[in-house]
Amino acid sequence: GAVVSQHPSWVICKSGTSVKIECRSLDFQATTMFWYRQFPKQSLMLMATSNEGSKATYEQGVEKDKFLINHASLTLSTLTVTSAHPEDSSFYICSAGPSAALRSGELFFGEGSRLTVL
Amino acid sequence: GDSVTQMEGPVTLSEEAFLTINCTYTATGYPSLFWYVQYPGEGLQLLLKATKADDKGSNKGFEATYRKETTSFHLEKGSVQVSDSAVYFCALSPYSSASKIIFGSGTRLSIRP
Repeated sequence: GAVVSQHPSWVICKSGTSVKIECRSLDFQATTMFWYRQFPKQSLMLMATSNEGSKATYEQGVEKDKFLINHASLTLSTLTVTSAHPEDSSFYICSAGPSAALRSGELFFGEGSRLTVL
Repeated sequence: GDSVTQMEGPVTLSEEAFLTINCTYTATGYPSLFWYVQYPGEGLQLLLKATKADDKGSNKGFEATYRKETTSFHLEKGSVQVSDSAVYFCALSPYSSASKIIFGSGTRLSIRP
């Protein structure tokens, strides 16, 4: 199957700082990547759809200025949590898939990035 | 809106026991249905899927049947193994593509030797 990798797997930062999380497709090109957020014991919530070469599409209720998404190449999307606060602490997961997989409904997920804001 | 409800965990079973994890959904039209699994320390991966009513998805001994009349997609396995210990997510996609996958809350499964 396709491989999606995230970095870092965990990060601790001070309140008010910004944190960048990278998502890479290692063996395929991804024109679309998806960013999810997972709270403890809760389901994954789709935050935004990252589109290579264009603006991301954000889900209702997700702050565009808080969660900056950049998809500058076919293998890399980044999520930057700006001016992070403790309530932004969460598990962030990215996913993507080759075009054929996406058409059949199959996503490949990164390992996730756990953010803790002090 | 569309949603997925699955049984809360954790679920603890002995090896070789029969497993059922219930999942029901609410959606307009005809969604595709999925089970994803997350093994310890790994990312989510697709376990099985069904794209239309009465379809049965199967993989690694797991099965789930798309039941439109009961809006359900229960996951079953006849004899679980320790290696099946993981978190299982039921999910749906309102379209044939994965543009928006809606996940259930996940069920943690632990298998005792």
